Amino acid sequence: GQQLNQSPQSMFIQEGEDVSMNCTSSSIFNTWLWYKQDPGEGPVLLIALYKAGELTSNGRLTAQFGITRKDSFLNISASIPSDVGIYFCAGQLYGGATNKLIFGTGTLLAVQP
Amino acid sequence: GAGVSQSPSNKVTEKGKDVELRCDPISGHTALYWYRQSLGQGLEFLIYFQGNSAPDKSGLPSDRFSAERTGGSVSTLTIQRTQQEDSAVYLCASSPMGVGYTFGSGTRLTVV
Repeated sequence: GQQLNQSPQSMFIQEGEDVSMNCTSSSIFNTWLWYKQDPGEGPVLLIALYKAGELTSNGRLTAQFGITRKDSFLNISASIPSDVGIYFCAGQLYGGATNKLIFGTGTLLAVQP
Repeated sequence: GAGVSQSPSNKVTEKGKDVELRCDPISGHTALYWYRQSLGQGLEFLIYFQGNSAPDKSGLPSDRFSAERTGGSVSTLTIQRTQQEDSAVYLCASSPMGVGYTFGSGTRLTVV
């Protein structure tokens, strides 16, 4: 199935470091979303972006919707051990028969105390 | 309920058998999605239900896969004649208007 290009695939960092990950697509999306998945659980929505160029923060998380609507990045500042998990970007198109999300391949984040 | 409920949480089945996976969405959510997540992979779209509209089945990988949603609420994903490559976590999500999905914890299917 179709997937977005997400990088890096994995990151191993020390507690307190900042983290950055990004997602690119050949297609334009109306909405970009970032999810976090803990082991054995479904993904949980972190941030939703609705307008090109939009920059949104949620606590230590900051995400931006690219001007071209084909990319997005997520930053995590001052990482803590509970940030460990897999982070997925997702793009969504509205209209037509579906509002399905297309997901990135994921970034595995490991934080060493 | 408070969240999306999926059952069973784990299912081990023999190759060739049929399986049914159940999803109870959040009450009042009109949109329901099924995704598949293979080991170490992202989420692959399978099927989408929105109200009484015809479902978007474009992600179903073969005709062995089917899904229905009864009464606009509970959904069942059926896999016939299971194969080993069907082993994955099957995730269900619901949303009120197609934005802001809430995912269930998934059903981990293992075909042996």
